[in-house]
Amino acid sequence: ETGVTQTPRHLVMGMTNKKSLKCEQHLGHNAMYWYKQSAKKPLELMFVYNFKEQTENNSVPSRFSPECPNSSHLFLHLHTLQPEDSALYLCASSQPGDYGYTFGSGTRLTVV
Amino acid sequence: AQKITQTQPGMFVQEKEAVTLDCTYDTSDPSYGLFWYKQPSSGEMIFLIYQGSYDQQNATEGRYSLNFQKARKSANLVISASQLGDSAMYFCAMRERGYGGSQGNLIFGKGTKLSVKP
Repeated sequence: ETGVTQTPRHLVMGMTNKKSLKCEQHLGHNAMYWYKQSAKKPLELMFVYNFKEQTENNSVPSRFSPECPNSSHLFLHLHTLQPEDSALYLCASSQPGDYGYTFGSGTRLTVV
Repeated sequence: AQKITQTQPGMFVQEKEAVTLDCTYDTSDPSYGLFWYKQPSSGEMIFLIYQGSYDQQNATEGRYSLNFQKARKSANLVISASQLGDSAMYFCAMRERGYGGSQGNLIFGKGTKLSVKP
């Protein structure tokens, strides 16, 4: 039990599908993050939310659409993805003033 | 420019022996935090150890210790008495304090794959 829960753990979707990844934390953290981890690449920060407001978007294509309805939940809506978007998507949370992040177990996405 | 450099893509160690995983970093911020995470094949990023830039002593957490050499900007992870369950990817990461009260984001190196041999 990490305190950050991601669902689903695995997802296979076609290029024309629409799906959503969900992240939930019950740690009382006010910052949440989406990272993408592709094979043999460093983790890439995608989006940052602080107190439900998006504070960073690292030039992520619009086919990835984040949503943060409250400080405990973070979604990543996916549509018309490409095969190169296949990766492990990791969610993390942190508390302002703390250095460390707590990560979820990730969603392993395969785009076919 | 790469801020976190891990030069060892893969390492092997014999069970019960110690191993050092290298990490160098680059920052001009006087205040920052250094982290090591373990990622087993399941994908979860597990926090191992933290070192603050102003900490005088090297951090230790059980079998993990961080060899912090500030002048050399290095933060190597030492795992003592390796176990088979230590086989995983290990990532070094840094978070800068930033200015004006804002904090930078956690940035990662490319990782080192550690394999423990029985």
